[in-house]
Amino acid sequence: QKEVEQNSGPLSVPEGAIASLNCTYSDRGSQSFFWYRQYSGKSPELIMFIYSNGDKEDGRFTAQLNKASQYVSLLIRDSQPSDSATYLCAASSSGGSNYKLTFGKGTLLTVNP
Amino acid sequence: GAVVSQHPSWVICKSGTSVKIECRSLDFQATTMFWYRQFPKQSLMLMATSNEGSKATYEQGVEKDKFLINHASLTLSTLTVTSAHPEDSSFYICSAGQGSGNTIYFGEGSWLTVV
Repeated sequence: QKEVEQNSGPLSVPEGAIASLNCTYSDRGSQSFFWYRQYSGKSPELIMFIYSNGDKEDGRFTAQLNKASQYVSLLIRDSQPSDSATYLCAASSSGGSNYKLTFGKGTLLTVNP
Repeated sequence: GAVVSQHPSWVICKSGTSVKIECRSLDFQATTMFWYRQFPKQSLMLMATSNEGSKATYEQGVEKDKFLINHASLTLSTLTVTSAHPEDSSFYICSAGQGSGNTIYFGEGSWLTVV
């Protein structure tokens, strides 16, 4: 069974600090990995995706992928209270449609002013 | 603006009735759409893959006769919850992809409450 595992948290960091979110996946055939932010009662919003080993930076966000370890992470620099949300890690399906995602349970992040 | 739109955003129905949720791709054609369900404080669980012009593919444990999916056009998929029960109350979200496979759009979600 294809699984995506995340620490459910909650993770609490002070404003301005770096928040580190981690994710592991079981399906070695997964090609792409996504980080979504979800506010309570709302649909997920894409933060970024990564499909190559290494780091990918976009503004305050850096995604890291290590396919050998089946590990994905998201770093949020200079965390802001508005970053407080649940962060969902997702992996694309191997075989079939690449748009089919398996989600982790999410990590609740709280950024304290 | 939104490229995948869901309607309604929220709906309340009586137990035993059916309710339909629509998912539309606004600026592109989607041969495949996906329906997810999310219970409070839980993650998104894929229910089914909606295939334009053919039968939907359901995930294990999802009743195909209860959750009817129709993908009659390249821009519209519908999910009908038949004979709804209070335990079907949930947040239903659709998604569609475009291009290389890394561009996946989610609808705004539909809150279903069965009373």
